[in-house]
Amino acid sequence: EDQVTQSPEALRLQEGESSSLNCSYTVSGLRGLFWYRQDPGKGPEFLFTLYSAGEEKEKERLKATLTKKESFLHITAPKPEDSATYLCAVQGEGSMRFGAGTRLTVKP
Amino acid sequence: GAVVSQHPSRVICKSGTSVKIECRSLDFQATTMFWYRQFPKQSLMLMATSNEGSKATYEQGVEKDKFLINHASLTLSTLTVTSAHPEDSSFYICSASMDRATDTQYFGPGTRLTVL
Repeated sequence: EDQVTQSPEALRLQEGESSSLNCSYTVSGLRGLFWYRQDPGKGPEFLFTLYSAGEEKEKERLKATLTKKESFLHITAPKPEDSATYLCAVQGEGSMRFGAGTRLTVKP
Repeated sequence: GAVVSQHPSRVICKSGTSVKIECRSLDFQATTMFWYRQFPKQSLMLMATSNEGSKATYEQGVEKDKFLINHASLTLSTLTVTSAHPEDSSFYICSASMDRATDTQYFGPGTRLTVL
């Protein structure tokens, strides 16, 4: 069965303090790994899709990387507006499966 | 681009009534639409997948007679929660995929259902 595990469950950073979020996965026939941002009471907002090991994508202060077993979401010099829950999901041969998310809080 | 809307954003109903939630892709045609349920501080749980013009595929444990899904067009899917009970109270989110090649899903803003 496909599995997605995100760590840490919660992360508190000071503004400007860079860090990384981890997404470990096991999946049959990876078709894509997805990162989403979710604010409280709202639907997930699409950030990145990664398709193969070694692939990297960047958007503003965020950079996503992928290996055969895990993905990292690197946040460089975060700002308070980056506070949100970040969800990782994998698409294999079955349905898309989501991790439980990392709740990020960035303090000014 | 890739905007998905949901209506209503919030609904409160009495136990035993039915509630319909609409999901629309506003600027693209969705080959597939998905319905998820999310409990507080938990991740998304896929309820069903639907393709335009065909019957929805429900995940194990999801009652298809209770959660009726209609995908009438390439831009509209509806979820009807029939004979709602308090345990059906949850955050329901739809998503739409425009391209089978990329699998990327674009999510709506969600509907908060409260059953009294």
